[in-house]
Amino acid sequence: TQLLEQSPQFLSIQEGENLTVYCNSSSVFSSLQWYRQEPGEGPVLLVTVVTGGEVKKLKRLTFQFGDARKDSSLHITAAQPGDTGLYLCAGDRDDKIIFGKGTRLHILP
Amino acid sequence: GAVVSQHPSWVICKSGTSVKIECRSLDFQATTMFWYRQFPKQSLMLMATSNEGSKATYEQGVEKDKFLINHASLTLSTLTVTSAHPEDSSFYICSSSGRANSYEQYFGPGTRLTVT
Repeated sequence: TQLLEQSPQFLSIQEGENLTVYCNSSSVFSSLQWYRQEPGEGPVLLVTVVTGGEVKKLKRLTFQFGDARKDSSLHITAAQPGDTGLYLCAGDRDDKIIFGKGTRLHILP
Repeated sequence: GAVVSQHPSWVICKSGTSVKIECRSLDFQATTMFWYRQFPKQSLMLMATSNEGSKATYEQGVEKDKFLINHASLTLSTLTVTSAHPEDSSFYICSSSGRANSYEQYFGPGTRLTVT
């Protein structure tokens, strides 16, 4: 059973479009992190959300933590080719870090 | 965030040989580091948690005698793949926990291992 479900698994869209990817669970997490990984490199931490309902913005990226702290979303506005990568969410539960399987995003120029 | 380095960045070895991968926390002392492996186009799979000065904690299904982890100092953890086989070919990534928040992880750039 996958504790953190990410959807969609794959997404290919044109440059300039908006998109949202999701990270869902039936469990409550103390916090959720989003990472981006480019091919051949390690993941890079984008943001941590801690409080239910919290919204954080990082330039064109908007992260939201669900009110019940069971899910999170990442919205990208006006996607650019540089946004291409694997987006991973990770949750902290019982002192263990759990990763989702990721959303592979490809932005077409 | 923390800076983590890995060495080597890629390695090719023959089947049956052993390979050591180093993971260094460059700007702070990491009591805990993590080792992951990642197959092409897949997510990260936690292999083990490396604790400074004590034995590593391995995830279910990971052979501790095959993947030897040593965390001899607060800035260095090593993963040795013993008697490597082609199926061990993968991308190995280490991470350390953040200073301010232990649940945030800072990853190294990864090591691409190819066993021929």
